[in-house]
Amino acid sequence: QLQLQESGPGLVKPSETLSLTCTVSGGSISSSIYDWGWIRQPPGKGLEWIGNIYYSGSTYYNPSLKSRVTISVDTSKNHFSLKLSSVTAADTAVYYCGRLGRIATRPAWFAPWGQGTLVTVSS
Amino acid sequence: QSVLTQPPSASGTPGQRVTISCSGNSSNIGSNYVSWYQQFPGTAPKLLIYSNNQRPSGVPDRFSGSRSGTSASLAINGLRSEDEADYYCATWDDSLSGYVFGTGTKVTVL
Repeated sequence: QLQLQESGPGLVKPSETLSLTCTVSGGSISSSIYDWGWIRQPPGKGLEWIGNIYYSGSTYYNPSLKSRVTISVDTSKNHFSLKLSSVTAADTAVYYCGRLGRIATRPAWFAPWGQGTLVTVSS
Repeated sequence: QSVLTQPPSASGTPGQRVTISCSGNSSNIGSNYVSWYQQFPGTAPKLLIYSNNQRPSGVPDRFSGSRSGTSASLAINGLRSEDEADYYCATWDDSLSGYVFGTGTKVTVL
């Protein structure tokens, strides 16, 4: 059974870079069928797609975050990572990673999801 | 601000049918497949419906999805207390070149 687990600091200072890793177990991240993505959810608010990466390294980013986001993949460690630079309090959220299935070449659904990790931006 | 609009809340008594709408446009729902997610407080979302109307293994057939034009709907037949959760629609948006989520609907079982 495929499982995903987020890891990384729970507290980041304003203007610094948020870094998270999603470790995939029970399956290979090198699958040609799926992308791997990040989603976040501010406390009490809705879901926001951050971006996704194909195992080859091709990436898609949310236009509103694109200038600050980098998603990378390490197939040797079977994990992928998120970096979000110049963070502010508005970036405080639960960050989820997930496997992204495609239909007719377009990203279509996330499953499964990691359990999520709360990242707070505060000095 | 999300490009997919859902009603903030929906409710029903046990056994009733509840429907949740998701309104988009021609660049998202109108041209791509819709998925639906269920989220309980403090937990990660779970895929409920994909490809507009397909249920992943393990999802009860009480849940059904549909798409018509630039809108989609999730129906819960035979509402149960354990269905009380937040529900989100989502799809790819060709204009934004991004994956977009709906605003979310909180379902309450009265």
